[in-house]
Amino acid sequence: SYVLTQPPSVSVAPGTTARITCGGNNIGIKSVHWYQQKPGQAPVLVIYYDGDRPSGIPERFSGSNSGNTATLTISRVEAGDEADYYCQVWDSSNDHGIFGGGTKLTVL
Amino acid sequence: QVQLVQSGAEVKKPGASVKVSCKTSGYSFAKKDISWVRQAPGQGLEWMGWISVYNGNTNYAENFQGRVTMTTDTSTTTAYMELRSLRSDDTAVYYCAVMGRWRRLDYWGQGTLVTVSS
Repeated sequence: SYVLTQPPSVSVAPGTTARITCGGNNIGIKSVHWYQQKPGQAPVLVIYYDGDRPSGIPERFSGSNSGNTATLTISRVEAGDEADYYCQVWDSSNDHGIFGGGTKLTVL
Repeated sequence: QVQLVQSGAEVKKPGASVKVSCKTSGYSFAKKDISWVRQAPGQGLEWMGWISVYNGNTNYAENFQGRVTMTTDTSTTTAYMELRSLRSDDTAVYYCAVMGRWRRLDYWGQGTLVTVSS
């Protein structure tokens, strides 16, 4: 089955740029979605279709996808961005959803 | 606005069943599929399966096949997820989510904690 690999943790200073990767075999041909989850809360969609933002999500959040890696980029990181981030794709071979293992973003 | 309100926390004994509800509002219920996702304590998200509200078709993850049933009630715009033969490692928060284009999960319920303990 298809596997998505994320780094367990990423740490950045406020005001800098955070990049969270999501690796998968030829993931560039899939649509990748990203979710933010803060402690005790349900996940929230922050990026869909590789790089589009739902309404209400700041422009500081962006995404890209090519080859074997998709990337969530958060510019001008704020303390409030500290959360777990999950990538997700759909495996069309069996019509199943797949999540990456999640990345904890720490704002130093 | 779109809202998904799930049923309250449950405590079950091993071997029992649990049925979680997900009451939806704010959109056309029959036009969006629903996925169920769970999260064990301190762990990541695990996709369980999805149901087509339009025709009732389901597709379950291998880990849950034979133990899970997803249904919907269009008269009350509510989705249900029943998990049987519960084990201690089924202790988790269970989420329902409305699926959008490209199979993204647009809106999520608040989650339902299911605790399995003897």
